[in-house]
Amino acid sequence: AQSVTQLDSQVPVFEEAPVELRCNYSSSVSVYLFWYVQYPNQGLQLLLKYLSGSTLVKGINGFEAEFNKSQTSFHLRKPSVHISDTAEYFCAVSEAGAGSYQLTFGKGTKLSVIP
Amino acid sequence: DAGVIQSPRHEVTEMGQEVTLRCKPISGHNSLFWYRQTMMRGLELLIYFNNNVPIDDSGMPEDRFSAKMPNASFSTLKIQPSEPRDSAVYFCASSDSGGSDTQYFGPGTRLTVL
Repeated sequence: AQSVTQLDSQVPVFEEAPVELRCNYSSSVSVYLFWYVQYPNQGLQLLLKYLSGSTLVKGINGFEAEFNKSQTSFHLRKPSVHISDTAEYFCAVSEAGAGSYQLTFGKGTKLSVIP
Repeated sequence: DAGVIQSPRHEVTEMGQEVTLRCKPISGHNSLFWYRQTMMRGLELLIYFNNNVPIDDSGMPEDRFSAKMPNASFSTLKIQPSEPRDSAVYFCASSDSGGSDTQYFGPGTRLTVL
């Protein structure tokens, strides 16, 4: 079984400042890793995912994440945030390989961008 | 494509009543998921269908909950009888398959049981 820990429940940051949202996972097998964003009163939308290959993954809206196997981390970063980035961000993990389907989500990090 | 469609968006009901939530997945997707989101427990997978067949319902909380997928374009989640602790946002998601494929989420149904 896998588990995900998002270390910060809330992150306030000023507009145009950089941000890092932290995610650590636990698994005894190889994994796929995902970041989803949830805007108020909406469903979740995929930001980016790591399946294999390059450990630096670029996603939509200028976000990127780096897979670090030794530290079992998949932190999300953006060099300069906008007001529109205010949302809740979820890290998720699934077992790698054909036939797997279950996404295990972290508890989420609420990003608040301050004008 | 219109994305995953859920109805109703909001449901307010009284304890003991039957509640039916509906979902239309993205056309061509063969995997469908029902999730529940609460402040206390976060996002939990309730049930997973593949090619209209329930594969994993281990997340369904109890017998009051049931889900069906009569065809590739429609699924329902039913709660009977409903209880106040069922109040949550229920999401439906679909994907091309499991594993590495992106799950596309609907807008959710916010259920309030009084």
